Amino acid sequence: AQSVTQLDSQVPVFEEAPVELRCNYSSSVSVYLFWYVQYPNQGLQLLLKYLSGSTLVKGINGFEAEFNKSQTSFHLRKPSVHISDTAEYFCAVRGLGDDKIIFGKGTRLHILP
Amino acid sequence: DGGITQSPKYLFRKEGQNVTLSCEQNLNHDAMYWYRQDPGQGLRLIYYSQIVNDFQKGDIAEGYSVSREKKESFPLTVTSAQKNPTAFYLCASTPTGTYGYTFGSGTRLTVV
Repeated sequence: AQSVTQLDSQVPVFEEAPVELRCNYSSSVSVYLFWYVQYPNQGLQLLLKYLSGSTLVKGINGFEAEFNKSQTSFHLRKPSVHISDTAEYFCAVRGLGDDKIIFGKGTRLHILP
Repeated sequence: DGGITQSPKYLFRKEGQNVTLSCEQNLNHDAMYWYRQDPGQGLRLIYYSQIVNDFQKGDIAEGYSVSREKKESFPLTVTSAQKNPTAFYLCASTPTGTYGYTFGSGTRLTVV
C-alpha cells in the first residue's frame, strides 16, 4: 500500500518570495506522483505529474517538482509566488498497477502582502 | 467542453433524510470516484467504479451507497446511517490506463 505525508499543514510566504511545499511518500512498488491545487469551494486541478523519465517536472502556473527516489520525496517549488497562488495544495501517489490515487492531507499556502 | 458536472453545488438536508449527489461526466472515462473532504483531513475515498454495473468500497463507505448504471453517471447517496454527513464531496474520473484524475467542482452538503 502507498501513503503520502505532506510535512506542513500551512505555509506562509511573502509575495514574490520562493516557496517549497514538501511531500514524502511510501510505497513498495514503483509510483506515479501528482500535485493538485484547490481554490476555495472548488474541485482539484492537476498542477503537474511524474510518470517516468526526467525527475524534474514542470507544471502550470510556474510550478515545478522534483522526484527524488532515494529520499522518496516529491517537493513542489515556485521561484516567485503571487497572491493568486493562495490555495490548498495536495500531493498524491498512485502505485504501479493500482486502481486509485492516495492523497496527502494538503498544505495551505498563504501569500503575505 | 468535456468535463465532470456535480450538482447541486450546495445542498441542505434535515438529519435522518437520505440525499443523493449527482455526478455526470462527458469525457468517456471508464473509472469514477467519490471522495469526501473535511478540513485538515485531505481527501478520503468513499466508493469507486471502474466499469458499468460494478463498484468497490473505499476507506469510508459506511453510510453511503452508489450505483453505476451508465458510464457517464455515478450518483452517491448519503443515507441516514452516515453519522456525520456534513462535508464537501468531490467526484472524479479517469480513463483506463492513464494516471491522473479529472475532478468535478464539488457539492457542499450541510445536514441540520
